[in-house]
Amino acid sequence: QKEVEQDPGPLSVPEGAIVSLNCTYSNSAFQYFMWYRQYSRKGPELLMYTYSSGNKEDGRFTAQVDKSSKYISLFIRDSQPSDSATYLCAMSFQGGSEKLVFGKGMKLTVNP
Amino acid sequence: KAGVTQTPRYLIKTRGQQVTLSCSPISGHRSVSWYQQTPGQGLQFLFEYFSETQRNKGNFPGRFSGRQFSNSRSEMNVSTLELGDSALYLCASSLGRTGWTGELFFGEGSRLTVL
Repeated sequence: QKEVEQDPGPLSVPEGAIVSLNCTYSNSAFQYFMWYRQYSRKGPELLMYTYSSGNKEDGRFTAQVDKSSKYISLFIRDSQPSDSATYLCAMSFQGGSEKLVFGKGMKLTVNP
Repeated sequence: KAGVTQTPRYLIKTRGQQVTLSCSPISGHRSVSWYQQTPGQGLQFLFEYFSETQRNKGNFPGRFSGRQFSNSRSEMNVSTLELGDSALYLCASSLGRTGWTGELFFGEGSRLTVL
């Protein structure tokens, strides 16, 4: 079993839809949880960062962490064609370290 | 502010050869890490450097090595290339522990094809 599991999709939705992306993990020592977005032929870029359990909202994006279930989610409201990209969850044991454990990524397409 | 720069962007090598990839971090960033991205395994951590010292290493064979220079620039080397080393190699930089927010700034990667 991989430390971080993410459904690779692909996922195709119409413009304006609410998108839900999820990851599960097996190691309860993870403390820091991130979502990265990667456009084609580009490097990943950070979307959201949360520490421990709880919710965090930033515009159309909401990140949720449930440590008791070892489950994290990213919600995208009013999805736009520009949101079409691969979304990767990432986790870290230790703050300040660049050693992140990534999910395989979910390819999302938002159709106009 | 210039982003993370990786060179070369594309390269083709044959089995048994060795390759060196270069990374220039964002100005002021002292922490540099390397990741391998493949369709099958996704993004996997290779190593992390801070102030010329390797802080962490991933589960890769000894054929994979890296270093960081005093100006924070970094190189990684893969010796005795195998077909399975074909991948996108991504470099990322950050400020390090101070003000850490989980944000790594990635370059666009070096795409290595091994024939």
